[in-house]
Amino acid sequence: NAGVTQTPKFRILKIGQSMTLQCAQDMNHNYMYWYRQDPGMGLKLIYYSVGAGITDKGEVPNGYNVSRSTTEDFPLRLELAAPSQTSVYFCASSYGGAGELFFGEGSRLTVL
Amino acid sequence: KNQVEQSPQSLIILEGKNCTLQCNYTVSPFSNLRWYKQDTGRGPVSLTIMTFSENTKSNGRYTATLDADTKQSSLHITASQLSDSASYICVVSGYNYGQNFVFGPGTRLSVLP
Repeated sequence: NAGVTQTPKFRILKIGQSMTLQCAQDMNHNYMYWYRQDPGMGLKLIYYSVGAGITDKGEVPNGYNVSRSTTEDFPLRLELAAPSQTSVYFCASSYGGAGELFFGEGSRLTVL
Repeated sequence: KNQVEQSPQSLIILEGKNCTLQCNYTVSPFSNLRWYKQDTGRGPVSLTIMTFSENTKSNGRYTATLDADTKQSSLHITASQLSDSASYICVVSGYNYGQNFVFGPGTRLSVLP
């Protein structure tokens, strides 16, 4: 099992550009999450999904969009990138809302 | 406001020594408390999960304790190894499960030879 796979690992964007961070899991988990991690801060929830076709906002959703067309994939879309979106992004999944969280290796995004 | 605080912010110890990391939380209602280890440049990996009724749980050289009355938890690392150098993150979950995980800022541990 690969677990949770994120791509790309690193990306530099110019202000106003758009991009999609990819996330895939092969554990048949129903819950998937996107977090961002900023220096000295705890992870913040951007969006989450409880199953294919169902998504909801987390604590910091502005400037992002998600979709969940399959159980395996949960891409995060950044529209009109801003310097405030410079961060490390982590995708995670769990079996059920109270299950153990499995994280990807992270995607480091810099917006200049 | 639901918050998780961790102390110390960073810690340096010599290989072979023990250490204890602290976590205080104000999350309510409370469902469970988790400790994660995050190596530099990697994603967090679960160490322990404790529910309201559990007050201690071990995973090898890692032992977590929970006092739900005082809303405090600690992570004790025994006989530290160089590979223990990482950030340790305390995460508290409320009754609404995954969408309500509250993450602490982490304690950065450095183990020196």
